[in-house]
Amino acid sequence: AQSVTQLDSQVPVFEEAPVELRCNYSSSVSVYLFWYVQYPNQGLQLLLKYLSGSTLVESINGFEAEFNKSQTSFHLRKPSVHISDTAEYFCAVSESSGNTGKLIFGQGTTLQVKP
Amino acid sequence: KAGVTQTPRYLIKTRGQQVTLSCSPISGHRSVSWYQQTPGQGLQFLFEYFSETQRNKGNFPGRFSGRQFSNSRSEMNVSTLELGDSALYLCASSLDGQLRAKGNTIYFGEGSWLTVV
Repeated sequence: AQSVTQLDSQVPVFEEAPVELRCNYSSSVSVYLFWYVQYPNQGLQLLLKYLSGSTLVESINGFEAEFNKSQTSFHLRKPSVHISDTAEYFCAVSESSGNTGKLIFGQGTTLQVKP
Repeated sequence: KAGVTQTPRYLIKTRGQQVTLSCSPISGHRSVSWYQQTPGQGLQFLFEYFSETQRNKGNFPGRFSGRQFSNSRSEMNVSTLELGDSALYLCASSLDGQLRAKGNTIYFGEGSWLTVV
């Protein structure tokens, strides 16, 4: 079984400051890792994912995450945030060996970007 | 192309009633999953369907059921509603659920907000 822990429930940050949203996972098997973003009253949108290969993955809007197998982490970073990044961010894992689209989510981190 | 469409978007039901939620996946997608989102429990996996067969099931009571039709559209049903069933129910679709394919992404709908009173 897999589990995901997002270490911060809320992260307040000023506009143009850097931010890191932390995610740790636990699994007895290999996993794929994802970050999803949810804006108010909307569904989830995929931000980025790690399947294999380079441990650093990037999104089109400036976010990046690094897979660290030894620390079982997949922290999300952005060097300079905008007001529009205010949203809830979810880290998720999926078993890589199975034929499944099942995602296990963390509890979410609310990113509050202040002017 | 159109995204994942869920209907209805909002609904209010009374305890003891049943409810059916509908999901139309992205055209060509054959895997459909359902999730329940609540403030207390977060996002929890309900079940996954692929080619009209349930492929995975989460830890929910039997009051929660689902099905998938030949056109990949899916419905979920909750019978004998309880106050704790109030939640956002999210549907997600992907080509075939095989996430190992780099081009295979899970897309979510905007959800159905269920309030049980």
